[in-house]
Amino acid sequence: QQQVKQSPQSLIVQKGGISIINCAYENTAFDYFPWYQQFPGKGPALLIAIRPDVSEKKEGRFTISFNKSAKQFSLHIMDSQPGDSATYFCAASKTNTGFQKLVFGTGTRLLVSP
Amino acid sequence: DVKVTQSSRYLVKRTGEKVFLECVQDMDHENMFWYRQDPGLGLRLIYFSYDVKMKEKGDIPEGYSVSREKKERFSLILESASTNQTSMYLCASRMMSNQPQHFGDGTRLSIL
Repeated sequence: QQQVKQSPQSLIVQKGGISIINCAYENTAFDYFPWYQQFPGKGPALLIAIRPDVSEKKEGRFTISFNKSAKQFSLHIMDSQPGDSATYFCAASKTNTGFQKLVFGTGTRLLVSP
Repeated sequence: DVKVTQSSRYLVKRTGEKVFLECVQDMDHENMFWYRQDPGLGLRLIYFSYDVKMKEKGDIPEGYSVSREKKERFSLILESASTNQTSMYLCASRMMSNQPQHFGDGTRLSIL
């Protein structure tokens, strides 16, 4: 119930292409879904987040799509660039009760080839 | 900018040693966290602290303890290090619930 399943484990995309990373969750009480980006040698940093009252959120080239009925959400990176090469983690949490703890997916290593 | 500083980037210790990992944040954050990151397993929560001297177990607390004597500092302690504790350890902090977590750059710990 507490798991967040992330796929694929790794992804290679050509420069200018679209990168898509998918996550699925089981706990319907989750109401906050952030994505974190981690470069080698660095800690994860918040990239973009969504709440289930909207189906899509866009920030620049990064878009989260959210499907509440399917309990799935995905990260789309448009016009992918070599500088986007990093590991991406989805996460989920409940924010309306108690202490908010993030449950992380297993990560996707993205390589954007020049 | 929030800064979360982990005292060591790399650490090599021997089996059975008591190991201390230190984390300091400079933004007066209430909440602090320790995670371990392993390939294919993502980030798993070891312990967290919602205030000074307060601590709670996360999902994988066995073999670890923590200390938070001052608001800015959160220490992770491996009481008797074992080889299965070889991992990347990440510290994070945030102002309060519903605020983003800010991570340090990690300590890569090897237990020989």
